[in-house]
Amino acid sequence: QKEVEQDPGPLSVPEGAIVSLNCTYSNSAFQYFMWYRQYSRKGPELLMYTYSSGNKEDGRFTAQVDKSSKYISLFIRDSQPSDSATYLCAMSGPPSGGSYIPTFGRGTSLIVHP
Amino acid sequence: DAGVIQSPRHEVTEMGQEVTLRCKPISGHNSLFWYRQTMMRGLELLIYFNNNVPIDDSGMPEDRFSAKMPNASFSTLKIQPSEPRDSAVYFCASTPDRGGSGANVLTFGAGSRLTVL
Repeated sequence: QKEVEQDPGPLSVPEGAIVSLNCTYSNSAFQYFMWYRQYSRKGPELLMYTYSSGNKEDGRFTAQVDKSSKYISLFIRDSQPSDSATYLCAMSGPPSGGSYIPTFGRGTSLIVHP
Repeated sequence: DAGVIQSPRHEVTEMGQEVTLRCKPISGHNSLFWYRQTMMRGLELLIYFNNNVPIDDSGMPEDRFSAKMPNASFSTLKIQPSEPRDSAVYFCASTPDRGGSGANVLTFGAGSRLTVL
């Protein structure tokens, strides 16, 4: 079993839908939780990050962390075709060799169709 | 800033040939990471450097892979000899790791897509 599990999809939704993307993990020591977005033929770019449990909102995006269940989610409201991309969750902590090395999920491919 | 710069963007080579991938991190970033991405395994960490020193290379698949960082502005990942199973997208990422920043947000390059025939 991988440390971070993420359904690869694809997840196809109509424009305007609420999207829920999820990851589960096994390492209870993870402290930082991130979501990266990767467009086709591009590198991943950070979308949001949270520390420990709780919610964080940024525009149409909300990140949730439930450490007791080892489960994190990313919600996208009013999804747009431009949101079509692969979304990777990543987690880090405690530090290894002095650095917090993120461990990535495989990514979920999201398709928002007009 | 131009971001993390990787070259080549695409490489097609034959089995047994040497492949060298190059990365220029963002100026001022003192940590550099090499990842490999495939459909089956996702993003896998190969090696990371802190202040030009390799810290953890446990993800390097085997002795055919080697990485160097001769200075703060340049790193290479070499595969010799290459095999078809090395076909993947290789990403370089950098971060201004200040030790206390646990989120350790990475900035990725656009990747080098390697195809070994």
